[in-house]
Amino acid sequence: DQQVKQNSPSLSVQEGRISILNCDYTNSMFDYFLWYKKYPAEGPTFLISISSIKDKNEDGRFTVFLNKSAKHLSLHIVPSQPGDSAVYFCAASKAAGNKLTFGGGTRVLVKP
Amino acid sequence: EAGVAQSPRYKIIEKRQSVAFWCNPISGHATLYWYQQILGQGPKLLIQFQNNGVVDDSQLPKDRFSAERLKGVDSTLKIQPAKLEDSAVYLCASSGRGPGRRETQYFGPGTRLLVL
Repeated sequence: DQQVKQNSPSLSVQEGRISILNCDYTNSMFDYFLWYKKYPAEGPTFLISISSIKDKNEDGRFTVFLNKSAKHLSLHIVPSQPGDSAVYFCAASKAAGNKLTFGGGTRVLVKP
Repeated sequence: EAGVAQSPRYKIIEKRQSVAFWCNPISGHATLYWYQQILGQGPKLLIQFQNNGVVDDSQLPKDRFSAERLKGVDSTLKIQPAKLEDSAVYLCASSGRGPGRRETQYFGPGTRLLVL
């Protein structure tokens, strides 16, 4: 039973444009959501997080939106840069510090 | 600040052999996690330690996998005997206060295991 799903396995975007990554979850007990970025042969790197008491969190070029009623979150990267090319994982937990449940990942390719 | 360290980075073994992975978390992080990431999937939690106690090992295949964190710092994950389906990247993470004062998990580079 996949509780966190990323339905788009890959995304290709032109440099300077917006990248939008989507994530859906089924467990209504999740209250903390994170995005991780992963380069080949490296571990996932924390990117941005959002608590369920918020619907938006912004950090530089990265913004995460949370729609609790739809059990959906998205990550916006604007403007996209070639260095953003990586696999992005959405993750959720029932409380900060508790175990993370990950989606399957979305591979982003930013073309120069 | 040093990150999470893992060794070895790569390991190739034959099925039915045993293998062990080592992890050194970020200094001061009390919580340590081991994840298994199969190719094309997201990481899946195997075991979570709080200091040297196990918090969650519900998804650890206990007939062949074992893990310990004896002094509440370093940890080892062992597989004995290995099966072909154990081929994966084994990620270690530790958690501490991150941005916004919520605990964030920080990952090591992983150990890539290939079982032949």
